[in-house]
Parts: sequence; C-alpha cells; structure tokens
Amino acid sequence: RKEVEQDPGPFNVPEGATVAFNCTYSNSASQSFFWYRQDCRKEPKLLMSVYSSGNEDGRFTAQLNRASQYISLLIRDSKLSDSATYLCVVMNSGYSTLTFGKGTMLLVSP
Amino acid sequence: EPEVTQTPSHQVTQMGQEVILRCVPISNHLYFYWYRQILGQKVEFLVSFYNNEISEKSEIFDDQFSVERPDGSNFTLKIRSTKLEDSAMYFCASSETGRGPSYEQYFGPGTRLTVT
Repeated sequence: RKEVEQDPGPFNVPEGATVAFNCTYSNSASQSFFWYRQDCRKEPKLLMSVYSSGNEDGRFTAQLNRASQYISLLIRDSKLSDSATYLCVVMNSGYSTLTFGKGTMLLVSP
Repeated sequence: EPEVTQTPSHQVTQMGQEVILRCVPISNHLYFYWYRQILGQKVEFLVSFYNNEISEKSEIFDDQFSVERPDGSNFTLKIRSTKLEDSAMYFCASSETGRGPSYEQYFGPGTRLTVT
C-alpha cells in the first residue's frame, strides 16, 4: 500500500509550458500537505504548503481535495530553473512526521 | 536566511563501525527530525525529537540508532554498528512547532553515508 502516490514521470516540457503534477494519499487522517522540490543529490526544499482553499505563489498553484485525498501542483510559464523532482509530502497526525511520495521529475528544455 | 547545517557532507565507513552525523538546526526551532534517502528511493522518516526526548520513530530506527542533543545547538544521529544497507543520504530537518502555524520543516544539505 503506497501512502503517497505520484505520477511516475519524467515530464519533459518546453520553456513557457504549463505542467500539472498529481498526488494521492491513503491516510484520511492526514492533516497537512506540502510540495517540496529536490534537485539532484540535494535536500528537499519547501516549495509551498497546500491549504484546503487552494493557494497560489507566483507561477505555482496548489490545490487540495480532502474528499478525494488528492493534491495537485500547477506550474505556469515553466522556466529552465524549474527542472527538478517535485515531491508530494503529507503530514500525518501525531508528531508531525512527513511521508514523502517518490517524486515526479520535471525537465524543462529551451 | 537561517538554515539547517549538517556535517560531514560525506562519510565513508567500514561495516560494523560507529558513525555520528551532526546537525545544527535553525536556532529558534524546537522540533528536530532525521530522514534518510537511499539512492533512487523516496525520503523516509527516521525519528522526531522534542523537549530532549524522542517523540516518534519509524520501524527503520531500531536499536542501532540513537539521537542526542548534547548541547544547545547540535543534534546528532548515531549508528552504532553500520551495515551496508545503511548507505544513504541522511537529512536533518527542523521546525518551529510541531503542528499549527510554523510547523513547516526545513532540511539541511544532508550527509552522504557510504558503508563499505
């Protein structure tokens, strides 16, 4: 049973494209949700928290559907620097441990 | 901008040896964590630590592992007798709180542990 499942990728897109990542989680008691990005052999870096009402940060929009246990991330106007692996992360109840998905790799080409 | 730091960046050790991985969390953070990532796999939770004691640990965190906050700034992970399968990137993270506002976790750059 996979607790956090993401599109396997990789996604290859040209600069300027819009790309969407999907994620589902299995634990209905999960309380908080995040998107992190991870560059090759580097640490996960927090991209944004995901709120029930949905939230936007510049070119990035995150959505949460608790009923479907589904999280999404939309990147508009992709830049070369957006190339990375995007990690869907869920915080369960208890002592705030994070459960990570395997990640979806994004490759933005000129 | 405050950040989590970790030392060393790379540690090579022989099977059966003890290793200590060190972390300095962000200064006003109260919750500390260790995660690991085996090459090509997902990031996995090991242990969380608050108020000088373990809050939660995963099945991976067996008797070979221990954590300590020896002083006001360092947070360490000790592996008593390393195995080949302990080879991984070990990430330290910290958060200001455990839930509610400011619960977001920030990760250090990691220590790559290679057991030979």
